[in-house]
Amino acid sequence: DILLTQSPAILSVSPGERVSFSCRASQSIGTSIHWYQQRTNGSPSLLIKYASESISGIPSRFSGSGSGTDFTLSINNVESEDIADYYCQQSNSWPYTFGGGTKLEIK
Amino acid sequence: QVQLQQSGPELVKPGALVKISCKASGYTFTSYDINWVKQRPGQGLEWIGWIYPGDGSTKYNEKFKGKATLTADKSSSTAYMQLSSLTSENSAVYFCARSVRRGYYAMDYWGQGTSVTVSS
Repeated sequence: DILLTQSPAILSVSPGERVSFSCRASQSIGTSIHWYQQRTNGSPSLLIKYASESISGIPSRFSGSGSGTDFTLSINNVESEDIADYYCQQSNSWPYTFGGGTKLEIK
Repeated sequence: QVQLQQSGPELVKPGALVKISCKASGYTFTSYDINWVKQRPGQGLEWIGWIYPGDGSTKYNEKFKGKATLTADKSSSTAYMQLSSLTSENSAVYFCARSVRRGYYAMDYWGQGTSVTVSS
């Protein structure tokens, strides 16, 4: 199975700052990586698909980049509503897998 | 609007089985895969498998073969997941989620989750 490693486990930023989440795959997966936001007691929400493709209804301050094994989700101008867990997920090889998540805290 | 409405929380005894439902609305049910994902308390996400309601084809994570059975009823636009021989390891929240397109496994719409608690 492809292992996705997300780092760090916790990120703490101030409102208005830019934050970046890292996701590293155990083998090359092209651009078959997707990012989700999960607020406390909520369902995951798709933020970015296929590494950098935007999703209708998601604010433009969310963006993604990367290919191969290293991927990044960035949030510009972080807001308090962005407090959540963020997960990456690969769909290159079955079984599809998720990273362990990064928790975003607001200072 | 697209919605996936899941059935309510379940409290079941060890060794029993449970069947969770996921009723779809707002789109053509037979045109998109439905995926199932497990999340244990305080843990990450785990893919169980998917079903394509159009023809009933399924694919399972090896880890869940023999544990989960995915079905779909086109007449009611409802997908189901049955979990058998339940143990405490199966206590979790289970989500259904739609793929963005047939065969493309990013998931754009999610159910609200169904909590399953296995306890005697």
